Amino acid sequence: DAKTTQPPSMDCAEGRAANLPCNHSTISGNEYVYWYRQIHSQGPQYIIHGLKNNETNEMASLIITEDRKSSTLILPHATLRDTAVYYCIVRRGSSNTGKLIFGQGTTLQVKP
Amino acid sequence: ETGVTQSPTHLIKTRGQQVTLRCSSQSGHNTVSWYQQALGQGPQFIFQYYREEENGRGNFPPRFSGLQFPNYSSELNVNALELDDSALYLCASSSGSFSYNEQFFGPGTRLTVL
Repeated sequence: DAKTTQPPSMDCAEGRAANLPCNHSTISGNEYVYWYRQIHSQGPQYIIHGLKNNETNEMASLIITEDRKSSTLILPHATLRDTAVYYCIVRRGSSNTGKLIFGQGTTLQVKP
Repeated sequence: ETGVTQSPTHLIKTRGQQVTLRCSSQSGHNTVSWYQQALGQGPQFIFQYYREEENGRGNFPPRFSGLQFPNYSSELNVNALELDDSALYLCASSSGSFSYNEQFFGPGTRLTVL
């Protein structure tokens, strides 16, 4: 599975959009981009995933560049409850194990 | 629908002891994965169980072992505890073993080894 690079920390004002970048320059054609988040002292929570098209769900949007070497997770209206560590993970879609390789993630601090 | 539950929530052991951690998977899920999360680090994959068989293992020594039961609940056993085993242990369940099956994590068991 390809390696990912994320900034260690970011701040965002409450009510504003939070844009979390992820670099995955060695991603291969059959690898998906997944985002999880971990609120303090809880287990990680799935947010969204995508292959090459932009994706949106009730939690967030995922924008993947055309060359697929980077992506951005967008929380459109961040709230204090969105303060968490956000993990960008690249994994093969056809692997027969659910192994997730977590990096250090980005600590997002949403401020009032 | 019940989520993933883990027990106990906290545990303190001494070096050299053995520990068993338990996980009940979400209803309808037949796959359980275990992760170790040291303080300030991302979770590290230990192994996965699918229909009572180990189906993938991370870079952990054999003293980390597991079981999955017919009801798909699971145990993680760690023998000969070391100080570095102090961590949050997370389990995640999914409806299949494949990477496209969404994983649902439990709240974790905090293990402290003295």
